[in-house]
Amino acid sequence: GAVVSQHPSWVICKSGTSVKIECRSLDFQATTMFWYRQFPKQSLMLMATSNEGSKATYEQGVEKDKFLINHASLTLSTLTVTSAHPEDSSFYICSASPGGTGNTIYFGEGSWLTVV
Amino acid sequence: KNQVEQSPQSLIILEGKNCTLQCNYTVSPFSNLRWYKQDTGRGPVSLTIMTFSENTKSNGRYTATLDADTKQSSLHITASQLSDSASYICVVRLISNFGNEKLTFGTGTRLTIIP
Repeated sequence: GAVVSQHPSWVICKSGTSVKIECRSLDFQATTMFWYRQFPKQSLMLMATSNEGSKATYEQGVEKDKFLINHASLTLSTLTVTSAHPEDSSFYICSASPGGTGNTIYFGEGSWLTVV
Repeated sequence: KNQVEQSPQSLIILEGKNCTLQCNYTVSPFSNLRWYKQDTGRGPVSLTIMTFSENTKSNGRYTATLDADTKQSSLHITASQLSDSASYICVVRLISNFGNEKLTFGTGTRLTIIP
């Protein structure tokens, strides 16, 4: 079945550095991918909508200059956390769908980011 | 106020017992409603998808119901197993007039199955 892959699964970085998380749809094309973050014991919060070939759409309160999103192809979107701080430590998840309102939305396995 | 409310917030039941999780939503118009299972530290996995016109949908031991009039959905788990321990998330999907889609997530129910 359709799979969405995220990489890396977990990453530790120093404060002030940048880290990139990749989201790939393995056997379908996705013109739109979504990025979420999830704090412990809380539900997923949509950060931005990644659109292939155009700029991402960010949710209110999400800094676009801090969370850079690039959707360079129909199977790959990347989230770069720039100048990371400890408060950016979180679980980041992407999702993608083959399209159509009734199609399943597939989530990646998520990426744990710890900023020290 | 969250547009998708789930209850209970947490639930502990004995292995083999049944349970029902609730989801009330206010978002409209909605395209479909989905139930996901999320193991700790993992991405959510889809259990069921229900459109506006569907009342019941089953997936193995999971049965979801939807009442679009009262804007309520439930997820019934039959003969629970230890592996059912997870968070269950209700997600309502909207398609705007401009064709943009938006997911609204419920707060989740943390289910723990004890032997």
